[in-house]
Amino acid sequence: DVVMTQSPRSLPVVLGQPASISCRSSQSLVYTDGNTYLTWFQQRPGQSPRRLIYEVSKRDSGVPDRFSGSGSGTDFTLTISRVEAEDVGVYYCMQPTHWPLYTFGQGTKLEIK
Amino acid sequence: EVQLVESGGGLVQPGGSLRLSCVASGFTFNTNWMHWVRQAPGKGLVWVSRINSDGSHTIYADSVKGRFTISRDNAKNTLFLQMDSLRVDDSAIYYCASGGHLVGWGQGTLVTVSS
Repeated sequence: DVVMTQSPRSLPVVLGQPASISCRSSQSLVYTDGNTYLTWFQQRPGQSPRRLIYEVSKRDSGVPDRFSGSGSGTDFTLTISRVEAEDVGVYYCMQPTHWPLYTFGQGTKLEIK
Repeated sequence: EVQLVESGGGLVQPGGSLRLSCVASGFTFNTNWMHWVRQAPGKGLVWVSRINSDGSHTIYADSVKGRFTISRDNAKNTLFLQMDSLRVDDSAIYYCASGGHLVGWGQGTLVTVSS
């Protein structure tokens, strides 16, 4: 099974400063069609998860452009260029490449310092 | 706008059964894969099961295989999860999610397995 490892697990950030979350997979996430499938979700306190990024770097509709995704193969990063108060929550990466089994990372808790 | 509304959660004794439902709107339900994902209190997200668009193919996490059954009624835009032989460690919020890459999520329904 593919294992997704996120770091750090806790991320205190000053408002207005950048933040980065790493996600590493135990196997390459390049699919047989040549595309790489890695998804990022945000879960604010008391809310359901919300998809932010799919296929490594494509932002979902309504997601602020301060969020960006990058990476390739087995190493991926979610970057927030300037953290705002509404960004507090837990962020998860997920691989749908090795379907039919999907795997989430353990989550990274972003808080304001 | 994608809307997913789960129901059917509650308190059940170990060994008991529950049937969760998820009513979908705002998108073409019968062309989308659907998933169930769960989250134990204070813990992370865990993928549980997936069904393809016409219901002909299903897959399960090892932890629920043989005990849970995912199904769908495309005429009623509804996804189901039949949960049998429930265990204490099945206690969680259960979310339904839409699309191959889980673009839409419901608000979740809480399942508590306890004696």
